[in-house]
Amino acid sequence: AQKVTQAQTEISVVEKEDVTLDCVYETRDTTYYLFWYKQPPSGELVFLIRRNSFDEQNEISGRYSWNFQKSTSSFNFTITASQVVDSAVYFCASEGIIQGAQKLVFGQGTRLTINP
Amino acid sequence: DTGVSQDPRHKITKRGQNVTFRCDPISEHNRLYWYRQTLGQGPEFLTYFQNEAQLEKSRLLSDRFSAERPKGSFSTLEIQRTEQGDSAMYLCASSLTVGADTQYFGPGTRLTVL
Repeated sequence: AQKVTQAQTEISVVEKEDVTLDCVYETRDTTYYLFWYKQPPSGELVFLIRRNSFDEQNEISGRYSWNFQKSTSSFNFTITASQVVDSAVYFCASEGIIQGAQKLVFGQGTRLTINP
Repeated sequence: DTGVSQDPRHKITKRGQNVTFRCDPISEHNRLYWYRQTLGQGPEFLTYFQNEAQLEKSRLLSDRFSAERPKGSFSTLEIQRTEQGDSAMYLCASSLTVGADTQYFGPGTRLTVL
């Protein structure tokens, strides 16, 4: 069975600070995908990124960057120069494509508050 | 291209009543998923369809819950004899059938059972 752990329940920083959200996953699948979603106060889950288990290259998209390390089963997300609009709950999720159905398994989420 | 839509956005009902939610996926997405999210938790998988076939149901989906996708387009989720423990956000997502393709979520239906 898959499991995703986001140990940080809440993080609060001041605007323009960098912040890293941690994600640790467990899976017995050899092929799997990892995701990050953002859930603003409106409630809709917004897709941010998908990585497959064969691609450990870090990725950068504007102020967002992701660090995938299979050796530590981690897929951490960093926001550089945070802004108030980044305030939301962020979810890490995994999806196996061999065992089980094509369902996402989510962590409990990290509530990020960016203070002006 | 419009995103996933869900209706209603909010539903308040009394315990014991039946409720039905609707989800319209992104057009041409043949996979459709239902998740439930309770306060302070991540979404939990309930069931999913590939076209009109319901391929998996979670143990969370008790006999009071039923989902359909009759023509492989929109889907409905019905809860019979609602209980207070059913209060949650019900999220719908859709994806293409390309390996583990990205699931795109709708805005959700927030159910409150009094």
